[in-house]
Amino acid sequence: AQSVTQLDSQVPVFEEAPVELRCNYSSSVSVYLFWYVQYPNQGLQLLLKYLSGSTLVESINGFEAEFNKSQTSFHLRKPSVHISDTAEYFCAVSFIYNQGGKLIFGQGTELSVKP
Amino acid sequence: DTEVTQTPKHLVMGMTNKKSLKCEQHMGHRAMYWYKQKAKKPPELMFVYSYEKLSINESVPSRFSPECPNSSLLNLHLHALQPEDSALYLCASSPITGTGWGEAFFGQGTRLTVV
Repeated sequence: AQSVTQLDSQVPVFEEAPVELRCNYSSSVSVYLFWYVQYPNQGLQLLLKYLSGSTLVESINGFEAEFNKSQTSFHLRKPSVHISDTAEYFCAVSFIYNQGGKLIFGQGTELSVKP
Repeated sequence: DTEVTQTPKHLVMGMTNKKSLKCEQHMGHRAMYWYKQKAKKPPELMFVYSYEKLSINESVPSRFSPECPNSSLLNLHLHALQPEDSALYLCASSPITGTGWGEAFFGQGTRLTVV
């Protein structure tokens, strides 16, 4: 069975500080990896994705994530956060050889950026 | 156009009512999804349509009835719901070829309250 574990349910941090949101996955087959962000009362937005190739992927708003196959991790980092980064962050996996298109989400990490 | 549009944004219905949620996308995606999200929880997959055919039903109660009239539209018909069905209902779409199932685009959701 496949699963996703986000190790921190809440991460409070001060503005301009660095942050890391941790994600580990378990799967017996190859996977695609994603980070989605959800702002209050909104749907989910794709933040970044790892499909293949370079293990370090970046988003347009300063976030990056590194795929580590040996540790089955896909942690999300940002060197300096802003108040506007306050949101719920979901790590997710999708299976390359699945039959029906399932995204498996972690439980989410609430990032709270304080001034 | 990279949007998934859901209507209505908010819906309050009684337990004997019949209502429908609507979802539309014009990205040419041939997979469309319904997710249910409770507060402070990750989205839970309900249904997947692939090429306008139902490919996954995650054991959803029959009071939820999905419909995919064409490749751009997805409906969710609601009948005789229970208060515990109150949640945010999210529609999503994704390509089937190329990057695969996981790169889903989500709508803003319909906030459903059953009274």
